[in-house]
Amino acid sequence: DIQMTQSPSSLSVSVGDRVTITCRASQSIRNYLNWYQQKPGKAPNLLIYSASGLQSGVPSRFSGSGSGTDFTLTINSLQPEDFATYYCQQFHSSPLTFGPGTKVDIK
Amino acid sequence: QVQLQESGPGLVKPSQTLSLTCTVSGGSISSDTSFWTWIRQPAGKGLEWIGRMSASGSTNYNPSLKSRVTMSVDTSKNQVFLRLNSVTAADTAVYYCARILFEKSGSGSFKNYYFDYWGQGILVTVSS
Repeated sequence: DIQMTQSPSSLSVSVGDRVTITCRASQSIRNYLNWYQQKPGKAPNLLIYSASGLQSGVPSRFSGSGSGTDFTLTINSLQPEDFATYYCQQFHSSPLTFGPGTKVDIK
Repeated sequence: QVQLQESGPGLVKPSQTLSLTCTVSGGSISSDTSFWTWIRQPAGKGLEWIGRMSASGSTNYNPSLKSRVTMSVDTSKNQVFLRLNSVTAADTAVYYCARILFEKSGSGSFKNYYFDYWGQGILVTVSS
């Protein structure tokens, strides 16, 4: 199985901050990487597909980059509704696997 | 707008079978560019992919659960089913169904492959 790691596991930030979350795969997954946002008690919501594609309806302050084993999710000018947990997920190989999540909370 | 709704018992006894239904509305489950999948999340923990299936019946399960999992579909009712047998307390989780939307490249490999619609999730507790 491809193992996904994320850093940091949590971070405390303020509204307006720029946030960068890193995801690393245990082997090259090309650009086969998606990002999801999950709020408490809710299902995850797709933000970024194939490493850098912005899902329809997702604000442009979200962006993704990377290929191979190292990927980044960036949130420019964090808004109050962005406090949530973020997961990366690879689709290079079965079984599909998720990172452990990064919780973004209020400083 | 595609909507998914999970249903089933919220409490299952150890060693018995967990059975869930995902009802899809707002679109057909028989699309050529989608699969249907189950994902679970224990309380306070991360996401685990259980498996996926197509409307034609082809399946792909997570090896960690493969011996206990069965997925099926009823295209006439636009429903997807999950059965997980011999459950233990470790199977207690919120279970989500989701749609996988995919796009293939000219070489036949997946170019895009993501969970774009999710159900609200159903908490299943395994306890006597």
